[in-house]
Amino acid sequence: QKEVEQDPGPLSVPEGAIVSLNCTYSNSAFQYFMWYRQYSRKGPELLMYTYSSGNKEDGRFTAQVDKSSKYISLFIRDSQPSDSATYLCAMSLIYNNNDMRFGAGTRLTVKP
Amino acid sequence: NAGVTQTPKFQVLKTGQSMTLQCAQDMNHEYMSWYRQDPGMGLRLIHYSVGAGITDQGEVPNGYNVSRSTTEDFPLRLLSAAPSQTSVYFCASSSRGSSTDTQYFGPGTRLTVL
Repeated sequence: QKEVEQDPGPLSVPEGAIVSLNCTYSNSAFQYFMWYRQYSRKGPELLMYTYSSGNKEDGRFTAQVDKSSKYISLFIRDSQPSDSATYLCAMSLIYNNNDMRFGAGTRLTVKP
Repeated sequence: NAGVTQTPKFQVLKTGQSMTLQCAQDMNHEYMSWYRQDPGMGLRLIHYSVGAGITDQGEVPNGYNVSRSTTEDFPLRLLSAAPSQTSVYFCASSSRGSSTDTQYFGPGTRLTVL
């Protein structure tokens, strides 16, 4: 069993829709939870991170962590065609990159 | 600033050949790392460095060597390429190496081993 599971999609939504992206994980010791966005043929870029449980909002993006269910989510409101990308979840035990585990990524297409 | 640069962008090797993937950053970052990205597997850490002269293994280090003689450069060496090393390789850098730091990724090197 993979430590981090993420539905690869693809997910296709119309412009303006609310998008929900999710990951589940098996290691209850993970403390830091990140979401990366990766455009085609590019390297990933950090969107946002959350420490432990709770919600975090940044503009149209909201990250949620439910440690009791070992489940994290990224919501995108008022989705735009420019949001079309692959979204990777990542998580780590401690405050450094060395043990970070990534999900396989969900490919999202937002249609005009 | 050029950010993180990687060369080459594409490479085809035959089994048993060796090569070096180049990575350079101009942001004076101490922390640099190499990942491979395979379909259905996500990014996996190969090697990392917390500063010049200091390197360590990540999750999947076998078949790869690294060195860090300067802050700017972090090359990845494949000593004897195998088809299992066919992948997309990303180099990344960040200022402190913490999970919540922004990691700046290069554009990637697409490697095929025949």
